[in-house]
Amino acid sequence: DPKIIQKPKYLVAVTGSEKILICEQYLGHNAMYWYRQSAKKPLEFMFSYSYQKLMDNQTASSRFQPQSSKKNHLDLQITALKPDDSATYFCASSQEPISYEQYFGPGTRLTVL
Amino acid sequence: TQTVSQSDAHVTVFEGDSVELRCNYSYGGSIYLSWYIQHHGRGLQFLLKYYSGNPVVQGVNGFEAEFSKSDSSFHLRKASVHWSDSAVYFCAVSDRGSALGRLHFGAGTQLIVIP
Repeated sequence: DPKIIQKPKYLVAVTGSEKILICEQYLGHNAMYWYRQSAKKPLEFMFSYSYQKLMDNQTASSRFQPQSSKKNHLDLQITALKPDDSATYFCASSQEPISYEQYFGPGTRLTVL
Repeated sequence: TQTVSQSDAHVTVFEGDSVELRCNYSYGGSIYLSWYIQHHGRGLQFLLKYYSGNPVVQGVNGFEAEFSKSDSSFHLRKASVHWSDSAVYFCAVSDRGSALGRLHFGAGTQLIVIP
């Protein structure tokens, strides 16, 4: 059974639209993260949450907003989409933030036209 | 600023060969080093970690890595590769003094194992 679920697996959007990427983890972890992987850049850290509170934000743009409605959920809302946002977005989790052994979801591949 | 360098974008070996995937980092403080594997179209999987003690650490599936402070390196090795080891391998570094959970990844090395 998948321990970290990301939905959808593939997502196509038009420039200027808004999308929400879903992430749920069933590992009982207290920390969750978002990373982005694109063709132009290596895997980049975006956000970290611990006990549903934002710990770290390395995303320059406010168009990216994480949302944690439950302890095991960390969704990512992206507004005013641009073609440069095209990437695979990975959700990850760990028992605690200082536990750098992170478990990754399968990713959501976003294409912005 | 933390940087992670994986000098080889691709490494090709035959099944049964040994392999070493190189990772060098630049960071002045106390760090946590790890390796992850990514099979095509999938998320990353943790392989092994180092933060103190014996500089040679063992991971899953026969992988091991050796930390060298003098060389600022954390190279990954396997004595005998299998075709299923074909994947992209990422080295990552983290600040042990931080509780922010941020992993800095290298660009990755694609390992191709020829059966």
